[in-house]
Amino acid sequence: EVVLTQSPDFQSAAPQEKVTITCRASQNIGTTLHWYQQKPDQSPNLLIKYATEPLSGVPSRFSGSGSGTDFTLTINNLEAEDAATYYCHQSKSLTFGQGTRLEIK
Amino acid sequence: QLVESGGGLVRPGGSLRLSCVGSGFTFSHDYMHWIRQTPGKGLEWISYISPTSNYIQYAESLKGRFTISREDVKDSLYLDMDNLRVEDTGVYYCASSGWYVTAFDLWGQGTVVTVSS
Repeated sequence: EVVLTQSPDFQSAAPQEKVTITCRASQNIGTTLHWYQQKPDQSPNLLIKYATEPLSGVPSRFSGSGSGTDFTLTINNLEAEDAATYYCHQSKSLTFGQGTRLEIK
Repeated sequence: QLVESGGGLVRPGGSLRLSCVGSGFTFSHDYMHWIRQTPGKGLEWISYISPTSNYIQYAESLKGRFTISREDVKDSLYLDMDNLRVEDTGVYYCASSGWYVTAFDLWGQGTVVTVSS
C-alpha cells in the first residue's frame, strides 16, 4: 500500500498570499496523484488530476506539480473562498493523504 | 449527480445497506466506488466495482464485512455492511471515476453511519 504524507497539517495565510502544500508518496507512483478540496459540510471536489491537470472550471490560481514521490499543490493569490481542507490521493492503491487544513486570515 | 441513502444509527454487530443513485451520466459505463470519512482515519477508500461488475476490489482491512454491488438498470450502487464496529462510524460517499480506476471526479453528498450501543 502506498502511504501519502501531506505537510503541513494546518496552514494559515492572508488573502493574496501564496501557499504550497506538499504530498510525499512512500514509493514511486509516477503521476497518478490527484488533489481534492473539501469545504466544511461538503463532499470532496476534484481540483487537479494526474499531478498537473486542473479540472475544467478550477480557478487558474490552483496548480499542481511533481512526479514520482514528491508532489505540490500551489495556490496563488489566495481568496477567502479557498478556506478548506485539501487532500492528495493516489489511484495506484487508492489511498489518501491525511489532509491539510487551510485557514484564511 | 450521485445521491446516497441508507445511513443511520446501528448497534455494534449490526448490518446496514447503503444505496447510491446516479443521474446525468451513463452510470453503467463507469467504475463506481465507496469511500468513507471517519474521525479516526480521515478519507478511506472502501471498494470499487467495474462496469458490468466484472472486477471488484476491497480495502484489505474491510474485506469480508463489506460487499459492493450495482444494478445498472436502476443506475444504482449498493454497499452491504455486516458486523459493524464503532470505528465504522463516519460519512459514506459513493463516487465515480469514469471508465478507469483513477481520480474520483464525481461524489455524492454522503450518508452518515453511526455505530453505537
